[in-house]
Amino acid sequence: DARVTQTPRHKVTEMGQEVTMRCQPILGHNTVFWYRQTMMQGLELLAYFRNRAPLDDSGMPKDRFSAEMPDATLATLKIQPSEPRDSAVYFCASGWEVSGEKLFFGSGTQLSVL
Amino acid sequence: GESVGLHLPTLSVQEGDNSIINCAYSNSASDYFIWYKQESGKGPQFIIDIRSNMDKRQGQRVTVLLNKTVKHLSLQIAATQPGDSAVYFCAENMPTGFQKLVFGTGTRLLVSP
Repeated sequence: DARVTQTPRHKVTEMGQEVTMRCQPILGHNTVFWYRQTMMQGLELLAYFRNRAPLDDSGMPKDRFSAEMPDATLATLKIQPSEPRDSAVYFCASGWEVSGEKLFFGSGTQLSVL
Repeated sequence: GESVGLHLPTLSVQEGDNSIINCAYSNSASDYFIWYKQESGKGPQFIIDIRSNMDKRQGQRVTVLLNKTVKHLSLQIAATQPGDSAVYFCAENMPTGFQKLVFGTGTRLLVSP
């Protein structure tokens, strides 16, 4: 089965360290999303790419977060420097914009910043 | 801002019962709705979707109902099984020109054998 692959599954780091999360979208999908999930805020949209171009990152703290798509098979989300409040599960999702809005999610990266 | 309103309650049912999970949305311009299932340690999994020009859609053991008059969405699961235990999210597509899904906070479904 085609699926969105995220690495690492778990990450524990200390405050101030750089964190890089990676996502391989489903082959052929032209949209990629990054979501963050916490108990308090639920699922929040951080960034959105279409055909590798960033279209919306208004949900992302600009001073420390950055999202890129170096190529069609890789999306990255970086946090530098990380803070304890960044602790959450980060999900990547991909889809075909042409066919509608159905998104396929990866299994997430559980980040703990100590 | 407008958002999908789904406060996280817990619905407990017996195996074999029918389950109904409800969701209220506030953006009358939203044109597409999705139900996702999230099991512990996994990402949200697509269950069923419905567009605003429909009021009912059926899948395998699941039915989604859309009432645009009162801005209400429901997910019905027939003959609920222990494997259906999960958190269920509704999401609406905000009409912003691209796929911007706004998720509710979820309902936890617990199915007892």
